[in-house]
Amino acid sequence: GDSVTQMEGPVTLSEEAFLTINCTYTATGYPSLFWYVQYPGEGLQLLLKATKADDKGSNKGFEATYRKETTSFHLEKGSVQVSDSAVYFCALSDGSGGSNYKLTFGKGTLLTVNP
Amino acid sequence: NAGVTQTPKFQVLKTGQSMTLQCAQDMNHEYMSWYRQDPGMGLRLIHYSVGAGITDQGEVPNGYNVSRSTTEDFPLRLLSAAPSQTSVYFCASNKGAGNTIYFGEGSWLTVV
Repeated sequence: GDSVTQMEGPVTLSEEAFLTINCTYTATGYPSLFWYVQYPGEGLQLLLKATKADDKGSNKGFEATYRKETTSFHLEKGSVQVSDSAVYFCALSDGSGGSNYKLTFGKGTLLTVNP
Repeated sequence: NAGVTQTPKFQVLKTGQSMTLQCAQDMNHEYMSWYRQDPGMGLRLIHYSVGAGITDQGEVPNGYNVSRSTTEDFPLRLLSAAPSQTSVYFCASNKGAGNTIYFGEGSWLTVV
């Protein structure tokens, strides 16, 4: 079945540091890939997505590239801010067989950014 | 611009009690689903629906029941609450193939 493996946290960085959170996946079809962010006490918000190989999703200074050859979708940001402190989830939606109703999630990575 | 609305936000139940978590969306989305979030586990799919009158089980359906009588609403019922059902529950919806899935703000449930 489908699965998502992401870097275990917690990750602690200083403000303006470079961020990478690794994510790799296993899927039977041609999945769409997502990064969701969850701020403390809130629900999940879509951060960015990519729907086919070599697509780059980007938003709020974050970016991730869909790499089919390495089955990866690593999240990066060049300079993090305190306000980026949150839990980040990598997820996939396997579009084969019409299964676009569901996401398979990684376990989440807690990021804390210190001033 | 309501999106996906869940109620209640917080609930404490005693073991054996039943309750319903409400979920409504105003985006005319076909697909709706319920997830639970547990520490170190990510989110896991409980039940889903691909349209009014159609529901099916996800990864962790035991102890939960759903129905979809309208496009807008997708309530989740806990039949006899157990401490193992202490979790944060998220309702989600999306329009169809390849479209973004939107989440509600979550319902924090504690079973004592």
